[in-house]
Amino acid sequence: DTAVSQTPKYLVTQMGNDKSIKCEQNLGHDTMYWYKQDSKKFLKIMFSYNNKELIINETVPNRFSPKSPDKAHLNLHINSLELGDSAVYFCASSRARASYEQYFGPGTRLTVT
Amino acid sequence: DAKTTQPTSMDCAEGRAANLPCNHSTISGNEYVYWYRQIHSQGPQYIIHGLKNNETNEMASLIITEDRKSSTLILPHATLRDTAVYYCIVSPWTNTGNQFYFGTGTSLTVIP
Repeated sequence: DTAVSQTPKYLVTQMGNDKSIKCEQNLGHDTMYWYKQDSKKFLKIMFSYNNKELIINETVPNRFSPKSPDKAHLNLHINSLELGDSAVYFCASSRARASYEQYFGPGTRLTVT
Repeated sequence: DAKTTQPTSMDCAEGRAANLPCNHSTISGNEYVYWYRQIHSQGPQYIIHGLKNNETNEMASLIITEDRKSSTLILPHATLRDTAVYYCIVSPWTNTGNQFYFGTGTSLTVIP
């Protein structure tokens, strides 16, 4: 059973398009996250939700909008895609907001051309 | 931003212990040391964490110096599947959510 799953695994799109990445966890966790790993392999947190409530919102362009329909899902919608958005996006979850262990999904490789 | 310094890469012979160092000289009293690893093309995986005492679990041991300015992750018997990038992270324990900032990490290659 997949603990944290993301779709799609690969996403190739053109500048200016709008796209979404979906994330689901079947661990019963309360907290979910989105991270971005750029071409230099730096992994940075973008957002965190706890029981559908936004608790961490790093300095991210407002073209990025997370949506949590329920605590098992955290989707990432990106408007007006730019070349610099090309990266691998990881979803993660943890039992609670202060948990030391975060479980990561397999990642979504986004390529903007 | 990452508050840790790690060597860029290391090699280890299969079956031997892998000792991965991390410097965190500006660590605060309420900050924990976490270790995660990322195997190629996968998401990061939690390994271990600690505050000031040495810790051990089924994956690894964590040795934190008395002044807490550095630590060492020990994989006691490295296998080829331990080849990965290892991240040392310093972060406070808060109720508002753990914000992990991953640096560049150490790329560990286990050699047959």
